[in-house]
Amino acid sequence: GQQLNQSPQSMFIQEGEDVSMNCTSSSIFNTWLWYKQEPGEGPVLLIALYKAGELTSNGRLTAQFGITRKDSFLNISASIPSDVGIYFCAGRETSGSRLTFGEGTQLTVNP
Amino acid sequence: DSGVTQTPKHLITATGQRVTLRCSPRSGDLSVYWYQQSLDQGLQFLIQYYNGEERAKGNILERFSAQQFPDLHSELNLSSLELGDSALYFCASSSLLYNEQFFGPGTRLTVL
Repeated sequence: GQQLNQSPQSMFIQEGEDVSMNCTSSSIFNTWLWYKQEPGEGPVLLIALYKAGELTSNGRLTAQFGITRKDSFLNISASIPSDVGIYFCAGRETSGSRLTFGEGTQLTVNP
Repeated sequence: DSGVTQTPKHLITATGQRVTLRCSPRSGDLSVYWYQQSLDQGLQFLIQYYNGEERAKGNILERFSAQQFPDLHSELNLSSLELGDSALYFCASSSLLYNEQFFGPGTRLTVL
């Protein structure tokens, strides 16, 4: 089956720093989604991308759908303590309706 | 609040038992997805239903089954439970087949 590689696995940063994480796939995707999950909670949708090259922002978060359609990245600017959590990318292949999730990036923000 | 509800929030049971997890999708959503998340792991897709019909299957064990009812709520049945089935089980819904998915709060299953 398809592989979805998310990196880095974890990040430890200081409040105010910018953060960047990315996902790459072995297949071409027509949708990329980014979710945030806090302990004991369900993933919350942050940004949805549907077109190659698309750049979308949601507050301090910006995500892009890679031109090759095999990658996506998420940037968080000026991080704050409440950004702590696990960030997941998810992609959908052209032919299917199911999502494949990355393994997640655990973000820790030190005040 | 995503609008997706799941019950129960927590479930503790013994090996060999059978449990049923329930999910109500967001109002108007036709598609329901089930995921399993084990400790420190990512989300593993189990199964998808769309308007009452099974649409896609992931790595769902034969001991597990699901269905979506005419009112669009869904149930995930887990039988002959093993210790390794302990996990968070999430339901997600989407309005159509290819739209973004919204997740419920999950059911934490502990098998002792």
